[in-house]
Amino acid sequence: AQTVTQSQPEMSVQEAETVTLSCTYDTSESDYYLFWYKQPPSRQMILVIRQEAYKQQNATENRFSVNFQKAAKSFSLKISDSQLGDAAMYFCAYLNTGTASKLTFGTGTRLQVTL
Amino acid sequence: GAVVSQHPSRVICKSGTSVKIECRSLDFQATTMFWYRQFPKQSLMLMATSNEGSKATYEQGVEKDKFLINHASLTLSTLTVTSAHPEDSSFYICSAIPDRGQPLNTEAFFGQGTRLTVV
Repeated sequence: AQTVTQSQPEMSVQEAETVTLSCTYDTSESDYYLFWYKQPPSRQMILVIRQEAYKQQNATENRFSVNFQKAAKSFSLKISDSQLGDAAMYFCAYLNTGTASKLTFGTGTRLQVTL
Repeated sequence: GAVVSQHPSRVICKSGTSVKIECRSLDFQATTMFWYRQFPKQSLMLMATSNEGSKATYEQGVEKDKFLINHASLTLSTLTVTSAHPEDSSFYICSAIPDRGQPLNTEAFFGQGTRLTVV
């Protein structure tokens, strides 16, 4: 079974600074997708960024980028120029692409952004 | 992006009654939908995978007779909490992935969630 681990329950960053959230996963599959989701107090899940396992190039979305290390099964999220609106829970998630799809979440990291 | 609508957003029910939560994909077909439960300040715990036209696949520890799932069409899955008790109070979220061949078929889309309170 796939597992997703986020070792940082809480992180704090100053506005305009950079922060990196960690995520590791365990799988025996070679083809899969990885995601970072943001969950603000409204509890609506918002996709931040996605990465296809077959792509070596790290995904980027404006201020958000990932460091995908397939061999190490690591998938960290870097937020640059942090803004107050970035404060939220962040979840790393794994999606397998087999016949029985399953989307598995990590335990989450609460990000605080300070002035 | 694709839209998933979940209804109701909030529901309060008496202990012993049943509550049905709907999850609809508005602009795509989804053979597979997921139901999650989220406790305060915790992650999303997968309860079951809903499969159109077949039985749902439940995760270990989730009571099938307690949480009934029906995926009657390619755009609708329902979760019924039967004989609800206060310990069933929680936040329930559904998610759907567009079928193969459709746009964005490797991305999950989420409903707004349902806050269930059993009194």
